Amino acid sequence: AQRVTQPEKLLSVFKGAPVELKCNYSYSGSPELFWYVQYSRQRLQLLLRHISRESIKGFTADLNKGETSFHLKKPFAQEEDSAMYYCALLAYSGAGSYQLTFGKGTKLSVIP
Amino acid sequence: GAGVSQSPSNKVTEKGKDVELRCDPISGHTALYWYRQSLGQGLEFLIYFQGNSAPDKSGLPSDRFSAERTGGSVSTLTIQRTQQEDSAVYLCASSLMAGPTDTQYFGPGTRLTVL
Repeated sequence: AQRVTQPEKLLSVFKGAPVELKCNYSYSGSPELFWYVQYSRQRLQLLLRHISRESIKGFTADLNKGETSFHLKKPFAQEEDSAMYYCALLAYSGAGSYQLTFGKGTKLSVIP
Repeated sequence: GAGVSQSPSNKVTEKGKDVELRCDPISGHTALYWYRQSLGQGLEFLIYFQGNSAPDKSGLPSDRFSAERTGGSVSTLTIQRTQQEDSAVYLCASSLMAGPTDTQYFGPGTRLTVL
């Protein structure tokens, strides 16, 4: 079965400092990985997905199959980045669907 | 257009009562998902619909949980004889299709509290 691990429940950084939110996965197939974000009092929304190889709000994430990691990075944290971040793995469930498996999330707090 | 909506936003019920949670997906989205977010836990997959059928019910925690979808649109998640451990935020998501490139869009959730 697939598994997503986010080792940090809480990460505090100062504004302007680099940020790295860790995510490791376990999956026997070819992984599709995502980062979702939930700002205070807002709904969960997609931040980025690895197949797009894009940078959203200054965040990037690189899939490292050797280390089975998909860490989220930003060179200079902003206060508005404070939120809950979830790493997710899309896996074929064998029942005609793809199922998202989420990590438990990391709360990022950017200190002014 | 409008996003995924869920109702009620909050539900407080007594142990042993039945509850119904509703999800209105984005118009035209054929795939619909239910998740549960318990305190201190990540999101837990419950059930997936493609159209009106549910090919994957693997995440339903017990037979007290059931879900249906009608007209390829609205879905209801029913919890019978609620228990305190059912207290959680129940999230619904929809996507255009159910493939790996289809982004899931989430609703605001229903916070269920079982006293």
